[in-house]
Amino acid sequence: DTGVSQDPRHKITKRGQNVTFRCDPISEHNRLYWYRQTLGQGPEFLTYFQNEAQLEKSRLLSDRFSAERPKGSFSTLEIQRTEQGDSAMYLCASSLAWRELDTQYFGPGTRLTVL
Amino acid sequence: KQEVTQIPAALSVPEGENLVLNCSFTDSAIYNLQWFRQDPGKGLTSLLLIQSSQREQTSGRLNASLDKSSGRSTLYIAASQPGDSATYLCAVRPQVRGGADGLTFGKGTHLIIQP
Repeated sequence: DTGVSQDPRHKITKRGQNVTFRCDPISEHNRLYWYRQTLGQGPEFLTYFQNEAQLEKSRLLSDRFSAERPKGSFSTLEIQRTEQGDSAMYLCASSLAWRELDTQYFGPGTRLTVL
Repeated sequence: KQEVTQIPAALSVPEGENLVLNCSFTDSAIYNLQWFRQDPGKGLTSLLLIQSSQREQTSGRLNASLDKSSGRSTLYIAASQPGDSATYLCAVRPQVRGGADGLTFGKGTHLIIQP
């Protein structure tokens, strides 16, 4: 299967700990997005990469959050000093930018629970 | 700020019925609109993408329409089946300089098809 993959699928951590999530996009896709989804809500945009460049960050992305995409391949999202409010599903998506035909394909998500 | 609203929030219908899900958005300056399906605890599956210049798209039993000027889209599901039970999400990509921005999602319509 060559879809978007995310690791881990589930993460339980204690408040104050750091966590890191990984996303592997579809291989030829040059754009990679991170979203956060809480229960009963639609996903909210966090940040976006085109190749290795991080081009946009939402105001939702506090200083405790950092994302990287070295060499324009996989991406990592790190949350430092986790808080209970960080509990959510973290979704990664990728797309191949071609005018308007950039359908975003989503991974299965990483569910974070902060105790 | 773009806001996306989906009506109804929940819908339960008997198998075989045709149904319509509604999506409205406040800012008509969009690049495209995408409909997704999400099963409980899972990631998103793209169903249809409509470019801003298009009026509708069809895929199997699904038909999505777009009226950009009035800020509305509908997803029509024909001959519904129990396997269609899921949450359906509508998302718009804003038309910003460079055409690169994250999607803005509605909260979704939770659909149950009764056997």
